[in-house]
Amino acid sequence: DTGVSQDPRHKITKRGQNVTFRCDPISEHNRLYWYRQTLGQGPEFLTYFQNEAQLEKSRLLSDRFSAERPKGSFSTLEIQRTEQGDSAMYLCASSFLGSGNTIYFGEGSWLTVV
Amino acid sequence: QQQVKQSPQSLIVQKGGISIINCAYENTAFDYFPWYQQFPGKGPALLIAIRPDVSEKKEGRFTISFNKSAKQFSLHIMDSQPGDSATYFCAASREDSSYKLIFGSGTRLLVRP
Repeated sequence: DTGVSQDPRHKITKRGQNVTFRCDPISEHNRLYWYRQTLGQGPEFLTYFQNEAQLEKSRLLSDRFSAERPKGSFSTLEIQRTEQGDSAMYLCASSFLGSGNTIYFGEGSWLTVV
Repeated sequence: QQQVKQSPQSLIVQKGGISIINCAYENTAFDYFPWYQQFPGKGPALLIAIRPDVSEKKEGRFTISFNKSAKQFSLHIMDSQPGDSATYFCAASREDSSYKLIFGSGTRLLVRP
């Protein structure tokens, strides 16, 4: 399977705990995006990487959120001191700069904070 | 501030009918307008996309109509099938904004057999 891969697919955590999600983009895709989607809503942009550089962060990304993309390959999204309001699906997407702007999404990582 | 407004929120269509979903945008700098299809528990999948230099694009049963002056675009699903039952999202992006997608709020489509 050469699609965008996300892990874990589901995570239940207690309020106050830290969680980390991993995303493996499509091979050779140099752009990587994180989005958050709550039930009944469209995905909302969180942050964007081009290769290993984090070029843009949404105001939605509070200081409890941090994303990295070491070596420009996989990416991680960490949420510290989780709150119930963080419960959502976290979507990773990737695209290739130079081939237009077709963005491919992964299956998402569901987070439930109890 | 919602930059992309989508309607209707839900839609019920009989098998074989035409499903029409509408979107309106505010930012005239947007230059790419995709539609995504999402099934429950899955990530969004690109269905069809259009740029503002054309007024219509067709791929199989799916057609995007684009009205630049009205800042509106719509998705038409011809010969709708029960397998088309899903949530559809319109989106918009700009080349000078890293093509990050701004999504509409979604339309839940149910196609009755």
